[in-house]
Amino acid sequence: DAMVIQNPRYQVTQFGKPVTLSCSQTLNHNVMYWYQQKSSQAPKLLFHYYDKDFNNEADTPDNFQSRRPNTSFCFLDIRSPGLGDAAMYLCATSNRVTETQYFGPGTRLLVL
Amino acid sequence: TQLLEQSPQFLSIQEGENLTVYCNSSSVFSSLQWYRQEPGEGPVLLVTVVTGGEVKKLKRLTFQFGDARKDSSLHITAAQPGDTGLYLCAGAGDSSYKLIFGSGTRLLVRP
Repeated sequence: DAMVIQNPRYQVTQFGKPVTLSCSQTLNHNVMYWYQQKSSQAPKLLFHYYDKDFNNEADTPDNFQSRRPNTSFCFLDIRSPGLGDAAMYLCATSNRVTETQYFGPGTRLLVL
Repeated sequence: TQLLEQSPQFLSIQEGENLTVYCNSSSVFSSLQWYRQEPGEGPVLLVTVVTGGEVKKLKRLTFQFGDARKDSSLHITAAQPGDTGLYLCAGAGDSSYKLIFGSGTRLLVRP
């Protein structure tokens, strides 16, 4: 089945220790998104890639970076995690930017 | 700025009851998605509506897109404990990549 996969599902890191979350998709979609979701809130868009074009949201902290080495994979790098970065991180894909987004199962990040 | 107001925020009902969740905006959306999210999981797409006045059914769930494409509703008939979760509506603009999310409705269906 075509799907969006996120690894790991749970990640524990220490304050200030870099961490990388990964996302892969078998949908062959052009667009990949990274969202941050805190408890009982709606997902908040961090950035997205349209093919290789990177688009950062204005309020996304510099601490968050992303890489998309190919169509299938996209990575979220948190350079120096703070306690406030503990959240669920969601990857999503769509064929075009205005079309339906399909979400992965998420990675729950805990910062100690 | 486009906003989607979702109501109610919380709903606790008994198994077998019916319920309706609303998403309202003053903006027009080219499409609107409904998702259900369970604790510790990502949002799962339930439906996408694109045409004003469109009604879609998914078993006991009925989704409607307003005629002017500014609002949408989700109606659940004879709710079951398996329907428990966070329901999110999300609207897409004509040219924007950004989904506008409602604040979510947390539904608890008690056996």
